[in-house]
Amino acid sequence: AQSVTQLDSQVPVFEEAPVELRCNYSSSVSVYLFWYVQYPNQGLQLLLKYLSGSTLVKGINGFEAEFNKSQTSFHLRKPSVHISDTAEYFCAVLEEGSQGNLIFGKGTKLSVKP
Amino acid sequence: DSGVTQTPKHLITATGQRVTLRCSPRSGDLSVYWYQQSLDQGLQFLIQYYNGEERAKGNILERFSAQQFPDLHSELNLSSLELGDSALYFCASSVEVGGPDTQYFGPGTRLTVL
Repeated sequence: AQSVTQLDSQVPVFEEAPVELRCNYSSSVSVYLFWYVQYPNQGLQLLLKYLSGSTLVKGINGFEAEFNKSQTSFHLRKPSVHISDTAEYFCAVLEEGSQGNLIFGKGTKLSVKP
Repeated sequence: DSGVTQTPKHLITATGQRVTLRCSPRSGDLSVYWYQQSLDQGLQFLIQYYNGEERAKGNILERFSAQQFPDLHSELNLSSLELGDSALYFCASSVEVGGPDTQYFGPGTRLTVL
């Protein structure tokens, strides 16, 4: 069955440091991949998505992610984080041919310290 | 602001009661999705409607039901509420069904069952 694993539940990092949030998935069919961000007391906002083509995807707020099919991974990166990046980040998978319901990972709480 | 509205923002009720959560999709979006976010289960897909018709069902309990009306707003009905139903309920909308369209999430309804 399809699943999404976010390997770190919490990631503390200092401001201006680089960060990588890891995501692995399992599926028997082709997938589309998404990263969403949830700020405190808010809904989810799309950061970026991979549909096809170049495996390096750039999103909003300086984030990017790389799709690695052989490792079934879609890790999110940012070269220099800000305090305002403190939020929870969710990786999600949409299986090709499905009706559109996203399968989410458990989330990674990014805490940026001054 | 995603353009998806959800009411009410907060709901506190007692076990055994019934509640209705309401969602208005973005203008032009025909697909509506409901997700439940809880501490132990994370973000889980419940049900999806497209232009008034149910298209996909996830981990939705039999005590829960939903519908999408001709004006495309959707309601999620939760009955015989239990303590474990306390969660954040999100609605999302997209233009199409079955493709990798971006799902835009509302701010959520926080349900507390006492």
